[in-house]
Amino acid sequence: DVKVTQSSRYLVKRTGEKVFLECVQDMDHENMFWYRQDPGLGLRLIYFSYDVKMKEKGDIPEGYSVSREKKERFSLILESASTNQTSMYLCASLTGSRNTEAFFGQGTRLTVV
Amino acid sequence: GDSVTQMEGPVTLSEEAFLTINCTYTATGYPSLFWYVQYPGEGLQLLLKATKADDKGSNKGFEATYRKETTSFHLEKGSVQVSDSAVYFCALRGAAGNKLTFGGGTRVLVKP
Repeated sequence: DVKVTQSSRYLVKRTGEKVFLECVQDMDHENMFWYRQDPGLGLRLIYFSYDVKMKEKGDIPEGYSVSREKKERFSLILESASTNQTSMYLCASLTGSRNTEAFFGQGTRLTVV
Repeated sequence: GDSVTQMEGPVTLSEEAFLTINCTYTATGYPSLFWYVQYPGEGLQLLLKATKADDKGSNKGFEATYRKETTSFHLEKGSVQVSDSAVYFCALRGAAGNKLTFGGGTRVLVKP
């Protein structure tokens, strides 16, 4: 059974903390993504990566960075967490074949207090 | 660029009612089309897909047909259940792209 696993379901962090969200996939997919999901705003792409050590900004990269040192792992970093980064964060992976779907993790609900 | 437009919710239905969620898209070439479902507190999971024109995707009683002439991929179910209450996302994967473009999501609430 294919899997995308996010390290935490729920996180509570303080303003100004450095936060790491980890995502691991076991499907040998080239492409990985981080989205945030907020009520009424749908899914918004933060960053994606199409290969190890490669990254591209999505629609809302400000305040975030990413790391992909190994093919199976894609980390989202909040350098200095702020309350407006309270959200649901979703990781996804996708193979290179055009006809295939993306697989999602279960989501991390982050609260910044 | 690629874009997906789906009807806004929430959509509230009674059990056994007919459900349709409209989805239209803009893309160059021949994209692959997807419907994802998100149950409360969970990530997205694939509901169905279609990879070429006139293909029909189906799963769990849901169906959607890839209509190139109208650039649409409407989701339908003939008789919904309370357990179908969820958020539904239409998405496309462009011919040249390595990522998915999502619609805004439609929340569906089915009441007993």
